[in-house]
Amino acid sequence: DSGVTQTPKHLITATGQRVTLRCSPRSGDLSVYWYQQSLDQGLQFLIQYYNGEERAKGNILERFSAQQFPDLHSELNLSSLELGDSALYFCASSVEGRKGNTIYFGEGSWLTVV
Amino acid sequence: AQSVAQPEDQVNVAEGNPLTVKCTYSVSGNPYLFWYVQYPNRGLQFLLKYITGDNLVKGSYGFEAEFNKSQTSFHLKKPSALVSDSALYFCAVWGLQTGANNLFFGTGTRLTVIP
Repeated sequence: DSGVTQTPKHLITATGQRVTLRCSPRSGDLSVYWYQQSLDQGLQFLIQYYNGEERAKGNILERFSAQQFPDLHSELNLSSLELGDSALYFCASSVEGRKGNTIYFGEGSWLTVV
Repeated sequence: AQSVAQPEDQVNVAEGNPLTVKCTYSVSGNPYLFWYVQYPNRGLQFLLKYITGDNLVKGSYGFEAEFNKSQTSFHLKKPSALVSDSALYFCAVWGLQTGANNLFFGTGTRLTVIP
């Protein structure tokens, strides 16, 4: 158990809908990351937050947004969903979010868009 | 862009034999390299990392990795494979891609240990 908690574990939704994925980082970790894992794209970095502020942005679509709250939990919002958004979404956390910090992953949220 | 490559999609090894999962990197400056493992229907688990110092890094579950600067490689090794080591292994590098300085992953290598 990495200490990173993600909910829900599985969800199925229709195209055009909006979903929210939730993540609680490890105790004491200030930085949260979101990654997407799909068969065709592999593991893609989406976005990173540190202590409530966006720190780095990767291959995140404009239809997707995220935030980190004062209690350090984070949410990833996915809207106008398309079939291609079906993937495993990982949240991860690290102490400071600095280069070389070990990043610990949750078990992911499986999203299926039908 | 800085990146890692895992040249083998699949590696098969007999139980009890040594295993190697290959990773090469392309970074400017000193590389920060990581290995993670993903078991079926589970998240990624951290195995080990190289930041600086000894080129041989020891990690979890008996795994180790050797950093080789001249060959720009960071291969994952284990002296004696277990059936329970069968999983998907990812090499990763802390680097810069698409303007983001973060941890970026290779495409993964599926390891199958044959009883």
